[in-house]
Amino acid sequence: ETGVTQSPTHLIKTRGQQVTLRCSSQSGHNTVSWYQQALGQGPQFIFQYYREEENGRGNFPPRFSGLQFPNYSSELNVNALELDDSALYLCASSLVGREAFFGQGTRLTVV
Amino acid sequence: KNEVEQSPQNLTAQEGEFITINCSYSVGISALHWLQQHPGGGIVSLFMLSSGKKKHGRLIATINIQEKHSSLHITASHPRDSAVYICAARQLGNQFYFGTGTSLTVIP
Repeated sequence: ETGVTQSPTHLIKTRGQQVTLRCSSQSGHNTVSWYQQALGQGPQFIFQYYREEENGRGNFPPRFSGLQFPNYSSELNVNALELDDSALYLCASSLVGREAFFGQGTRLTVV
Repeated sequence: KNEVEQSPQNLTAQEGEFITINCSYSVGISALHWLQQHPGGGIVSLFMLSSGKKKHGRLIATINIQEKHSSLHITASHPRDSAVYICAARQLGNQFYFGTGTSLTVIP
């Protein structure tokens, strides 16, 4: 039990649709980052939020966007879904420089 | 070239064997993490290292900052250790670079 909760756990969407994934951080953690893990691959960094501001982004197009709320929970939004967006999406929360805790992930399937 | 390279990619061991997984990284880091991922996806953080060596039960992790290399050792391996082990380099800005993982299967 890491204290980081992601919802939903599984999701099926149609190509072209939009999706919102949610992450509830461990209490007090002000930093949250999101990762995409394709099947058989290591996770890839999407972006990071610190105190409600994006402060780092990986090589993902603008249709991947996010939000962090005052309670430090977070959302990942993906617009215009493509088949290649099918993956496990992980969030991790931490205090800066401290150990990160990962959620169980949301498995997104785009058909 | 990936920022984090792990070896081996796949590993099968007999129960009781001593296991070593290696990780090399090319970026500057604030810490090196070893993670465990079971089927279904959830990731558990095993170790966070910035220097030296850490031990937790049958697991030992070491890091050599000068050589940019870390190892994860499992002593007296057990079938329940079967999982994917991921090395993740954490940059000063908190961003992680992940290795592709080592899939470990321990046979009874």
